[in-house]
Amino acid sequence: DTGVSQDPRHKITKRGQNVTFRCDPISEHNRLYWYRQTLGQGPEFLTYFQNEAQLEKSRLLSDRFSAERPKGSFSTLEIQRTEQGDSAMYLCASSLARGNFGNTIYFGEGSWLTVV
Amino acid sequence: AQTVTQSQPEMSVQEAETVTLSCTYDTSESDYYLFWYKQPPSRQMILVIRQEAYKQQNATENRFSVNFQKAAKSFSLKISDSQLGDAAMYFCAAEEVGSRLTFGEGTQLTVNP
Repeated sequence: DTGVSQDPRHKITKRGQNVTFRCDPISEHNRLYWYRQTLGQGPEFLTYFQNEAQLEKSRLLSDRFSAERPKGSFSTLEIQRTEQGDSAMYLCASSLARGNFGNTIYFGEGSWLTVV
Repeated sequence: AQTVTQSQPEMSVQEAETVTLSCTYDTSESDYYLFWYKQPPSRQMILVIRQEAYKQQNATENRFSVNFQKAAKSFSLKISDSQLGDAAMYFCAAEEVGSRLTFGEGTQLTVNP
């Protein structure tokens, strides 16, 4: 069990460019979550998947953001036309969900995005 | 919508002493879990302890325990025999359906030798 892995760990991009982050969940975990965390704040929920189905998107996820989880395995989070306000750490997490509550969620180390 | 509030941005404790971190929450869910996560400088969130709301008994994990007051919507974390490795940012979180988490603002814990 290698844990939740995220790539890249750090990304510096110019404003207006597109960026994509990848998350590989723990093997056989059926739920996958994306959170965003800015300095000095707690993580904020962005979206989550049950297998390949995207079940919910936060209002924080503007139309410049898109997430996919093809085949219910790894997931990608793409940000188009990046803005300086997108600078944050993007956290991925996964769980082996057996119900709607009480599932232990495992986090990755995050992907830092800096938009200059 | 759920809210989670941590009113202590920073706390400090002497090594081997006990410290309590506060958390209050608001939720419309009838059944839910509450969590404390630790985030050391490496930034990976690590689960410390969790509490199921309908269980009256407070959860305990080794040196970590909670004081869960459901009516008051309070969920504090007590760390006993504090160790240098406990220094980190601690986040309280409440769970919504689908195991989505709402986090508080965090409490930065410093452990003094």
